[in-house]
Amino acid sequence: EVHLVESGGGLVKTGGSLRLSCAASGFTFSSYSLAWVRQAPGKGLEWVSSISRSSLYIYYADSVKGRFTVSRDNAKKSLFLQMNSLRVEDTALYFCVREGDSAKDGGYYFDNWGQGTLLTVSS
Amino acid sequence: SYVLTQPPSVSVAPGQTARIPCGGSDIGSKSVHWFQQRPGQAPRLVVYDDSDRPSGIPERFSGSNSGNTATLTISRVEAGDEADYFCQVWHSLRDHKVFGPGTKVTVL
Repeated sequence: EVHLVESGGGLVKTGGSLRLSCAASGFTFSSYSLAWVRQAPGKGLEWVSSISRSSLYIYYADSVKGRFTVSRDNAKKSLFLQMNSLRVEDTALYFCVREGDSAKDGGYYFDNWGQGTLLTVSS
Repeated sequence: SYVLTQPPSVSVAPGQTARIPCGGSDIGSKSVHWFQQRPGQAPRLVVYDDSDRPSGIPERFSGSNSGNTATLTISRVEAGDEADYFCQVWHSLRDHKVFGPGTKVTVL
């Protein structure tokens, strides 16, 4: 069974930094792209970043580009999100997500989700 | 950027059929995926690639996609289907993933 467990959330001041981690188990970690998706309190889902199997391809939402850095360690089956220059609007539950490959358009979908870790940014 | 639209809410009586639309420009050319999020829980994939179901998802959940609208259909609605439902596509021009705003399904 696929397990994704996030950690590292907490309370941070605006302008501060934090690093989220995600520990994976139950599947061949290096065979899947991974992503971070966030959800502000009472709001919808927002894709944050994706990283390919070998870290060759990395993508960010415009809202975090230049401030967040995604990385992975295939040997340790772990995914990370380094978040700098944090803003109040970054406050959200951050989900670690495994990506599946779409057979129709070459894109991706999110086939397994962790329970999330909460980041609160206060001024 | 690519924008998806969904109605904020849909209400349905138990045993009836709920249809949740997801609108987008020429969305029929894209692959649409659907997620269910019950209160206090993480999202769960219920339909991928327009109409495929992951293992463990009941046949009551089905999807279609054509033109400018994709639709998630929940047949024989049960109380446990009450949740938020989000559609998602891959925006190939920028290699971004896009979510719809979500639809709250209320079982009357």
